[in-house]
Amino acid sequence: QVQLQESGPGQVKPSETLSLTCTVSGGSIGSYYWSWIRQAPGEGLEWIGTTHYTGSANYNVSLKSRVTMSVDTPSNQFSLKVTSLTTADTAVYYCVRGGQRSWFDPWGQGTLVTVSS
Amino acid sequence: QSVLTQPPSVSGAPGQGVTISCTGSRSNLGANSDVHWYQHLPGSVPKLLIFNNINRPSGVPDRFSASKSGTSASLVITGLQPEDEADYYCQSYDTGLSGSVFGGGTKLTV
Repeated sequence: QVQLQESGPGQVKPSETLSLTCTVSGGSIGSYYWSWIRQAPGEGLEWIGTTHYTGSANYNVSLKSRVTMSVDTPSNQFSLKVTSLTTADTAVYYCVRGGQRSWFDPWGQGTLVTVSS
Repeated sequence: QSVLTQPPSVSGAPGQGVTISCTGSRSNLGANSDVHWYQHLPGSVPKLLIFNNINRPSGVPDRFSASKSGTSASLVITGLQPEDEADYYCQSYDTGLSGSVFGGGTKLTV
């Protein structure tokens, strides 16, 4: 079955850019939508955005100015970039299969990103 | 404030049942957007529990059921077991925001 695995730095400094990659195994990245979701400590789940292998992307309006997503079809990976980080971006970041109009399944294991100087 | 409103917590004794509500608006549940539910066990990854309002993925016990009507949806858990202790989230699509939205989550104590 399809499995997802996030990779990226565990700690980044304020004002810097976060780059995360999600590797999809057990299936092709084509034909599906792929999303990023995060959960700040003690908070609920927040949809960050959705991308597609065709290159289209849709982002949470509250993050839109700072977020970019893309798909690398040959590598079966998709990625997330968040610029101008603040401590409020500290969260567990999950990559998931699914688009903003559908359900999310499966989920990656999640990666904790701490924004701190 | 979450776009979808859930009670912060619910509780029930083992063997009993609980209902978790999810209240939206005309721009999400009321716009015919489907509702999906997730179970987030402590220290684990969120797991899809219900998709498209009423459907259970394979492997989810039939103790979990859900419904949707108008701008509200509900998750019902019967025959509570200690391992059901988790956070539960509803999720839908908001036409005004053009994006996916989650409820604030409900902590179930058994």
